[in-house]
Amino acid sequence: DAGITQSPRHKVTETGTPVTLRCHQTENHRYMYWYRQDPGHGLRLIHYSYGVKDTDKGEVSDGYSVSRSKTEDFLLTLESATSSQTSVYFCATMDPGRSQPQHFGDGTRLSIL
Amino acid sequence: AQKITQTQPGMFVQEKEAVTLDCTYDTSDPSYGLFWYKQPSSGEMIFLIYQGSYDQQNATEGRYSLNFQKARKSANLVISASQLGDSAMYFCASLRVEYGNKLVFGAGTILRVKS
Repeated sequence: DAGITQSPRHKVTETGTPVTLRCHQTENHRYMYWYRQDPGHGLRLIHYSYGVKDTDKGEVSDGYSVSRSKTEDFLLTLESATSSQTSVYFCATMDPGRSQPQHFGDGTRLSIL
Repeated sequence: AQKITQTQPGMFVQEKEAVTLDCTYDTSDPSYGLFWYKQPSSGEMIFLIYQGSYDQQNATEGRYSLNFQKARKSANLVISASQLGDSAMYFCASLRVEYGNKLVFGAGTILRVKS
């Protein structure tokens, strides 16, 4: 287990409110990722980070922003949540190298009403 | 761009029998990796097996093996001697080594093991 903690684990909020999800790792992995999981789509990459303050967009980045001020923390922010962002969000970390799997947190279930 | 296709939305297998879950990929990356993850009903993502694009032999991990056919761009997961605990969602994913080590996932296959 790569020691990945996501918080909160569950959240219900209203449309238009800001939401921040936190991912904390204890393994000192360089790469960190945020995915969302929706039925029929598998997991889709939102944003990722390849180092402190180094981030890049994934395939479904609209409406999301991220920040990484420390190696161990990667924050995902929904500036103004919409119902289409209701989903399960997973954080993952990885050491560079082709044979290293991405390790996943337990997920955050976010409902936007 | 990369795309992972898992054509079997759901599969049934009898306990103790083997089952193959299909995965095809479409990539132009010169170097890539292929992963399989298991997601039980509790929701966590569990890494099962990895195959590198330059690996000559098919990967094996216990009861899991990956049938890698590079020319056909397929990376099927074979589970031998199925157990009730194998009932879960299974995801195939490709690793974009040259692009931030990003994973591209298929839509998944739900496997149900019957007793």
